[in-house]
Amino acid sequence: SAVISQKPSRDICQRGTSLTIQCQVDSQVTMMFWYRQQPGQSLTLIATANQGSEATYESGFVIDKFPISRPNLTFSTLTVSNMSPEDSSIYLCSGGPATYEQYFGPGTRLTVT
Amino acid sequence: GQQLNQSPQSMFIQEGEDVSMNCTSSSIFNTWLWYKQDPGEGPVLLIALYKAGELTSNGRLTAQFGITRKDSFLNISASIPSDVGIYFCAGQPRGTSYGKLTFGQGTILTVHP
Repeated sequence: SAVISQKPSRDICQRGTSLTIQCQVDSQVTMMFWYRQQPGQSLTLIATANQGSEATYESGFVIDKFPISRPNLTFSTLTVSNMSPEDSSIYLCSGGPATYEQYFGPGTRLTVT
Repeated sequence: GQQLNQSPQSMFIQEGEDVSMNCTSSSIFNTWLWYKQDPGEGPVLLIALYKAGELTSNGRLTAQFGITRKDSFLNISASIPSDVGIYFCAGQPRGTSYGKLTFGQGTILTVHP
């Protein structure tokens, strides 16, 4: 298994600003992903964080809005850019080995005012 | 994209009762995972299933990977108050990369003492 931490745990941000969320895994993992969970909803995959190369985004998510970095096998960041109230969500990172199991961080609860 | 239909949406049961929930899809999945999410936390992996027909237990939890590879169920026996939370099924659709999960809509479980 993998233990995943995220920073910050929550934040309240002004419209038009950006927030960078950090994800740290306690061991090297092959795969890392970022998800969004809107209030009362399920999880939706934003992108695959690829180590040393550009992230792979799912339909409806773009790099300009959600730039992602993954400099090594234990760390990734997600930036939510030019925020609007519609970006208020829980953002979760997940990581795991090159198998199907994925472990999740505690999430970052973002409120945009 | 692939969708998972998870049911029931919510359950209200008495402590000691057994619980059953399931997920179905029109597409074939390579793996099924069951997660539990407590308020303010990220999803925690309960059971992972890798082969059609596989039946796996984790304490009072039992899950099965359907023979058709298009469904899975989770049973919880002798429920206790700490079983309260949201249960999500998740699967990796055939033809997608490792770790890219599609989530069901969740089953909200309430256990009355």
